[in-house]
Amino acid sequence: DAGVIQSPRHEVTEMGQEVTLRCKPISGHNSLFWYRQTMMRGLELLIYFNNNVPIDDSGMPEDRFSAKMPNASFSTLKIQPSEPRDSAVYFCASTGILPLRNTEAFFGQGTRLTVV
Amino acid sequence: RKEVEQDPGPFNVPEGATVAFNCTYSNSASQSFFWYRQDCRKEPKLLMSVYSSGNEDGRFTAQLNRASQYISLLIRDSKLSDSATYLCVVNIPYGNNRLAFGKGNQVVVIP
Repeated sequence: DAGVIQSPRHEVTEMGQEVTLRCKPISGHNSLFWYRQTMMRGLELLIYFNNNVPIDDSGMPEDRFSAKMPNASFSTLKIQPSEPRDSAVYFCASTGILPLRNTEAFFGQGTRLTVV
Repeated sequence: RKEVEQDPGPFNVPEGATVAFNCTYSNSASQSFFWYRQDCRKEPKLLMSVYSSGNEDGRFTAQLNRASQYISLLIRDSKLSDSATYLCVVNIPYGNNRLAFGKGNQVVVIP
């Protein structure tokens, strides 16, 4: 298996533009997570899905952020409009079983977003 | 109180020495505990799960103290390749059960 695949790896955009990050989880995994990582705040959970249904989006910072999972093999995280403070590394991760007892979360390589 | 707290360091460790650090968690109902390793500009990867009785994997030993709500990681005979950030991960068993990550302990092994 190729693992969790994220695209793009790097994104540089101007403030106010729409940004879409993509994730393909590991085949057969039924839970998908979006995280944001910065030096100041560490790794923060934004939202997660179970069986394509959003379960907890309390970590989404504001209405500019939205996430979808139209099917088991694809998810998007959209920021519209983007702001410089959104600059971070965004990770997608997937796991096979909920609850998460002794279940490993597999991470994608991340998207490094820079908003100028 | 934060869900998971770690002293970010850095922990500068001479090659061959032993280093240990703790992580505290706030939710007494948490049942699953992990250490993840994250290399610079890479994604986190599972290093080891932490079991109630403590467990060892080569030079790495993890322990859980439920009474004081902390887990620990000890690295013996440090190698240069051990330089990384070690993330403490705890499950938060509210309703939807999710993982909470600490900010990590940065370890720098010095030749």
